[in-house]
Amino acid sequence: GAGVSQSPSNKVTEKGKDVELRCDPISGHTALYWYRQSLGQGLEFLIYFQGNSAPDKSGLPSDRFSAERTGGSVSTLTIQRTQQEDSAVYLCASSRPYRAENSPLHFGNGTRLTVT
Amino acid sequence: QQPVQSPQAVILREGEDAVINCSSSKALYSVHWYRQKHGEAPVFLMILLKGGEQKGHEKISASFNEKKQQSSLYLTASQLSYSGTYFCGTPTGGGNKLTFGTGTQLKVEL
Repeated sequence: GAGVSQSPSNKVTEKGKDVELRCDPISGHTALYWYRQSLGQGLEFLIYFQGNSAPDKSGLPSDRFSAERTGGSVSTLTIQRTQQEDSAVYLCASSRPYRAENSPLHFGNGTRLTVT
Repeated sequence: QQPVQSPQAVILREGEDAVINCSSSKALYSVHWYRQKHGEAPVFLMILLKGGEQKGHEKISASFNEKKQQSSLYLTASQLSYSGTYFCGTPTGGGNKLTFGTGTQLKVEL
């Protein structure tokens, strides 16, 4: 079916405001990942979901970042009290089985977040 | 823990070949390769599993040497469409997530 869908595609917010980023994975994909990509940089892991639970939150930069997943499908990444250093492209990816070892990741087009 | 890629950047003329290397300080059980064009999402190219070499995708192939903890991506007879940033990814955290390499920017010119 359709690929991974992320919304909004662009978000400009003022420093100190909260933002919510949404990810709709490919139907049937049990694993969901959030990565962050700063301008010209690599892919920084944030959090991983297996179903609705998040066994690995090790990449979340601070307690201002949180994420949830409901119904084994849609995920929301929330950033509270945004700071300028949060500006980046936030990428969501999903895969069918839960182990990344042998399962391709399918990425969405990302949300470009700009904090002014 | 992040894999290191080399070279960081390479410019090719159309039709030339290139090799991109990915090295890890930890034991590897598989390696993923992705290509990201400017302003787009990364796109999966191939996975190499322990003991295997997989050919996929246009004239792009790869090798995986688990003893040396290295993988190499081979691009032959490059086309303009090969331009982009190439990332390797290695499973970490018990195999539940991918840690991506530092990236290699490839530009193919006429």
